Amino acid sequence: ETGVTQTPRHLVMGMTNKKSLKCEQHLGHNAMYWYKQSAKKPLELMFVYNFKEQTENNSVPSRFSPECPNSSHLFLHLHTLQPEDSALYLCASSQARGGAEETQYFGPGTRLLVL
Amino acid sequence: SQQGEEDPQALSIQEGENATMNCSYKTSINNLQWYRQNSGRGLVHLILIRSNEREKHSGRLRVTLDTSKKSSSLLITASRAADTASYFCATDMLQGAQKLVFGQGTRLTINP
Repeated sequence: ETGVTQTPRHLVMGMTNKKSLKCEQHLGHNAMYWYKQSAKKPLELMFVYNFKEQTENNSVPSRFSPECPNSSHLFLHLHTLQPEDSALYLCASSQARGGAEETQYFGPGTRLLVL
Repeated sequence: SQQGEEDPQALSIQEGENATMNCSYKTSINNLQWYRQNSGRGLVHLILIRSNEREKHSGRLRVTLDTSKKSSSLLITASRAADTASYFCATDMLQGAQKLVFGQGTRLTINP
């Protein structure tokens, strides 16, 4: 148990559905991240939030919409996804100190399948 | 372009043997971290080595860093079946604060 929880753990959705992934961290961290992990590809950073402000959007398509209402919660809203978006979506958090020595704590991930 | 690349992509050894994984990167870094991932789960931080350090130990783990060659190695001694997992290096680059760049990982299998 890393102190970062994600729900749901598994999600199957059609291309016309709208769904949301939720992440919550109980570590008092001020930075949160969304990553995408596809088979045979490196972990891809999608979004970074620092003190609720988005500081990184790694050229992610607009069908992925992040939301960070406070430092403990992070959402990823999904709409009109494509089958190639099927992947493991990982949330992480860290105690941002200006970029130095920031260990990230990961949640267990949401396994997403888009049909 | 990918910052970290692990080598080998897959490694299978007998329980009790040592396992060595390597990571190469392209740009200057603040630090390099190693993470472990059990199948289909989140990543767990193992060890961090700063750019001014050359070697670090944590239990059965030994990490080395050679900034002149832009490479790092992770050694797991006296491997156990429970060490079976994927291992990733991640670099915290000098530019791009709070941005860890992960390699593709090494899939380690420990055979009983």
